[in-house]
Amino acid sequence: GAVVSQHPSRVICKSGTSVKIECRSLDFQATTMFWYRQFPKQSLMLMATSNEGSKATYEQGVEKDKFLINHASLTLSTLTVTSAHPEDSSFYICSARDAGVTDTQYFGPGTRLTVL
Amino acid sequence: QKEVEQNSGPLSVPEGAIASLNCTYSDRGSQSFFWYRQYSGKSPELIMFIYSNGDKEDGRFTAQLNKASQYVSLLIRDSQPSDSATYLCAVNRFGNEKLTFGTGTRLTIIP
Repeated sequence: GAVVSQHPSRVICKSGTSVKIECRSLDFQATTMFWYRQFPKQSLMLMATSNEGSKATYEQGVEKDKFLINHASLTLSTLTVTSAHPEDSSFYICSARDAGVTDTQYFGPGTRLTVL
Repeated sequence: QKEVEQNSGPLSVPEGAIASLNCTYSDRGSQSFFWYRQYSGKSPELIMFIYSNGDKEDGRFTAQLNKASQYVSLLIRDSQPSDSATYLCAVNRFGNEKLTFGTGTRLTIIP
């Protein structure tokens, strides 16, 4: 149980294009999902908290117009990197909160974005 | 002072020995404590969670929590080369959904 999927696992795009990443909780309902970014050999950095049916809460320094988050259902959240640039190249990881007994976050496998 | 502190390592442990990973936290209101394992290039994977003072065992893993000392640890018995990874300690409060992560300890099991 507690499986979270992400799609795509890897994407390469040209500078200026937009990229959408999907995060799904496969066997539980997630009222809250989180989006993280991780650069090589660095710590996880929380970008935003996404609650189903409401606007995402962004961490300080994260541009909400650049990183659009939608959480339209209890099993799906999407992150769109708009007008991507090479500095946006990173490993993007979502997690979903299972608010049941364990109240635990489970991570998706991540999406490696490379912007040329 | 960082909210969650871990020794970054690297921590090298011989195969078959016990690996001991430590974590301290500053927020006395923290209620939930998690250990994640992250292999290079992969996303974090939940190893264990603990809420109450004392020990919690799951197979070769034991989590230990001491709220008075604001200290949580993870013991890995009979360490295997496949245990080589970065271990992340994370905490949060009930009702506060955001996890606060430590920077992780890189563990290397030496065959």
